[in-house]
Amino acid sequence: DAGVIQSPRHEVTEMGQEVTLRCKPISGHNSLFWYRQTMMRGLELLIYFNNNVPIDDSGMPEDRFSAKMPNASFSTLKIQPSEPRDSAVYFCASSLGFAGPNGDQPQHFGDGTRLSIL
Amino acid sequence: AQSVAQPEDQVNVAEGNPLTVKCTYSVSGNPYLFWYVQYPNRGLQFLLKYITGDNLVKGSYGFEAEFNKSQTSFHLKKPSALVSDSALYFCAVRDTGYTGFQKLVFGTGTRLLVSP
Repeated sequence: DAGVIQSPRHEVTEMGQEVTLRCKPISGHNSLFWYRQTMMRGLELLIYFNNNVPIDDSGMPEDRFSAKMPNASFSTLKIQPSEPRDSAVYFCASSLGFAGPNGDQPQHFGDGTRLSIL
Repeated sequence: AQSVAQPEDQVNVAEGNPLTVKCTYSVSGNPYLFWYVQYPNRGLQFLLKYITGDNLVKGSYGFEAEFNKSQTSFHLKKPSALVSDSALYFCAVRDTGYTGFQKLVFGTGTRLLVSP
């Protein structure tokens, strides 16, 4: 089975440019998460979707960040305008959701997008 | 608010020796606890989880973890380490003491280095 697919794997761009990161979750998963990983702050949850609806976006750093999930098989994270401090590895993860009979289902992570803003 | 602590930035162990990676947590309700592993340039991979029941949880690749409620700990263990176990390990917790969405909170990670 295909796992979570993220594109691009690497992105280098100049400050001020728009950046769009893409994610295809595992088919059948109804929960999708966007994370950011940096050395300084570790792994941070940015936003969580359930059944394509944003449930919690309290981790989105500021208005420059936006995320969409137009359908069950695709999500985007956009940064506009980008800044050097946005440089990080961005992960998308999907799962079958929460609190089933066996508790939370594990989150399955993509291999991330390494973003460098010059 | 829930939190998780991994007190060791790095653990060094010789191949064939037992390994332990430590994790402690803080929640208001009952915890759901997870261990994930991250290899270089890859995403996190699920190893095991504790929801309820038996305090010793067995997971992938021969790993196991022991839930200790009195010590609020969930240490990851393996009886015999392999060089290929060298990676970054993350403990994570979700607090079930609330209704509605509660995010999974990850620790800062512990780098495991297994020497030949």
